[in-house]
Amino acid sequence: AQTVTQSQPEMSVQEAETVTLSCTYDTSESDYYLFWYKQPPSRQMILVIRQEAYKQQNATENRFSVNFQKAAKSFSLKISDSQLGDAAMYFCAYRSAETSYDKVIFGPGTSLSVIP
Amino acid sequence: NAGVTQTPKFQVLKTGQSMTLQCAQDMNHEYMSWYRQDPGMGLRLIHYSVGAGITDQGEVPNGYNVSRSTTEDFPLRLLSAAPSQTSVYFCASSYARLAGGPGNEQFFGPGTRLTVL
Repeated sequence: AQTVTQSQPEMSVQEAETVTLSCTYDTSESDYYLFWYKQPPSRQMILVIRQEAYKQQNATENRFSVNFQKAAKSFSLKISDSQLGDAAMYFCAYRSAETSYDKVIFGPGTSLSVIP
Repeated sequence: NAGVTQTPKFQVLKTGQSMTLQCAQDMNHEYMSWYRQDPGMGLRLIHYSVGAGITDQGEVPNGYNVSRSTTEDFPLRLLSAAPSQTSVYFCASSYARLAGGPGNEQFFGPGTRLTVL
């Protein structure tokens, strides 16, 4: 079964600085999707960025980018020029593209604080 | 589009009571799922469905039932509530995996905070 691990329960960053959140996953599949979701205090889940495993190029969305290392099964999220509104829980998620069932598995999350 | 809606937003139950959490989506998504969120444990998959009439268990299915009679609705039933089911519950939907491309993003409802006394 696939698992997703986020080894940093809490992180903090100074406003305008850069922070990297870690995510590793375990799978025997070669084709899958990876996601980062943000959950602010409002509790609403918001998609930040996605990566398709067959694409070697790292995904980028404005100030958010990923470092996807397929062989190492690593999918880290870099937030540049951190803003106060970036403070939230961040979840890494995995979705199979191969198996006969279709599940989306989440990691335990990283709580990010932004210091003014 | 209303997206994914969940009712109620808050609920308090006594041990042994039953109830149904409602979830509906208006995006014609085949895939719907229920998660529970507990501190330090992220979102754990309870049950999911890939279309009307098709459901399957996730990581933590015990104590919960689901059915999917229409594409739009995916209710979650608690059969006999226990304090261990105190949690925040999220419903999510997306196009099925085989639709491919950006359609694989899941859209989430606002959540239901459930307390079992």
